[in-house]
Order: sequence, then C-alpha cells, then structure tokens
Amino acid sequence: DAGVTQSPTHLIKTRGQQVTLRCSPKSGHDTVSWYQQALGQGPQFIFQYYEEEERQRGNFPDRFSGHQFPNYSSELNVNALLLGDSALYLCASSLGAGGAYGYTFGSGTRLTVV
Amino acid sequence: GESVGLHLPTLSVQEGDNSIINCAYSNSASDYFIWYKQESGKGPQFIIDIRSNMDKRQGQRVTVLLNKTVKHLSLQIAATQPGDSAVYFCAETNTGGFKTIFGAGTRLFVKA
Repeated sequence: DAGVTQSPTHLIKTRGQQVTLRCSPKSGHDTVSWYQQALGQGPQFIFQYYEEEERQRGNFPDRFSGHQFPNYSSELNVNALLLGDSALYLCASSLGAGGAYGYTFGSGTRLTVV
Repeated sequence: GESVGLHLPTLSVQEGDNSIINCAYSNSASDYFIWYKQESGKGPQFIIDIRSNMDKRQGQRVTVLLNKTVKHLSLQIAATQPGDSAVYFCAETNTGGFKTIFGAGTRLFVKA
C-alpha cells in the first residue's frame, strides 16, 4: 500500500523563479494539506484541498497557490521565489476535510532558493 | 539525512528509562490532539491521538495525557529505545475545522 508520494525530493531554484511541487495521497485518502517546515521549526500550515477546492489557508501570501486533481493528487506552486522560501515542503493526506483522524505525511520536498 | 531540529529543545534519556515530552497547545477550541514523530529525512509519523473528552490514552509503550484546564499535553514513552530518537511534535485541531497546528517540537536523544 503506497503512502504519500512527493516529487521531486530535492530542488534548487534561483530567486524570482517559480516552482511546482507534486503530491500523490495515500490510497483511499481524498484530502491533501500542504505544510512548510523551516529548519528547526514545526510544520506551518499553507492550505488544504478537498473536493478540488481550497478549503482553508494559513498565513501565506498569494504567491503560494495550489490545485487538486480529480484523482486527489495535488500540486503546490510558488511564484517569485524568495530566499526565505527555502524549506522542507510536506504534503499530508487524510480522509475527509479537516485533520480529525490524523494525517499521513510524505517525506517532503527540500526546496533551496539561491 | 537532513537534521530537522537544530535549535529545538532537547531531552536526553538513557536507554530503558521512561521519557516524558511536554507540549502547551494554543487554542481552547481544539478538540483533537495528535503526537507525531519525525526522524531525520522523513515526514512526521502519527504516533497517538486523543480527543478532548478523554484525559488519558494508552498505546503500545506510549501514553498521552491531556489537561484541558491548563492546555497541556504530554507524551510518555516507556522503556525508551535508541529507535525512539527523533523530533516529537504535538498537534492540535478542531474536528469541525480544516487545519492542524503543530507545536515547535522536542528532540529526543536516547543514549545507549
């Protein structure tokens, strides 16, 4: 049973560029949440997708956007990259909107902005 | 693998001892709480959860205690093993809401 799959695992981008990160949820899960984890900190909620809609958003600028596809997979897009966007980006899947039954996390995409 | 928590609070215990990791949560409306374990180079892994209508829940070698009066959670690990070395996060959410908030984390280091 495949868990949450994220791609790519590592990525280096230049300031000002755009990036797209991808996530395939665990089989049977229909909700995807994205988190940003800076070094030495806990994951920070970016947004959650359920039924192909953004259901809730954390305190992140509009440069961060996403999408969920009919097969429940999801993309996170970040435009006009800043050095401060360097972090581990985690995708978490769950069943149903909300985190009421806990998340299954992927191993993350390590984004470095230079 | 990468280091997740370079500047996190650290708890160092001897192998075989019991570990207690504490967490203060922020939202009095939260009604569901989860402990996650994150090893280097991996995403957080679900350990145990508890709902607000309970004050204690036990799993295999782990126990979570919830004190709603002071908004405090603790994770107790019995007979700590080297494989328990990781960063531990508490997380809170509301079953009617959509986002889970993570605490800052504690690094557990188990000495053999």
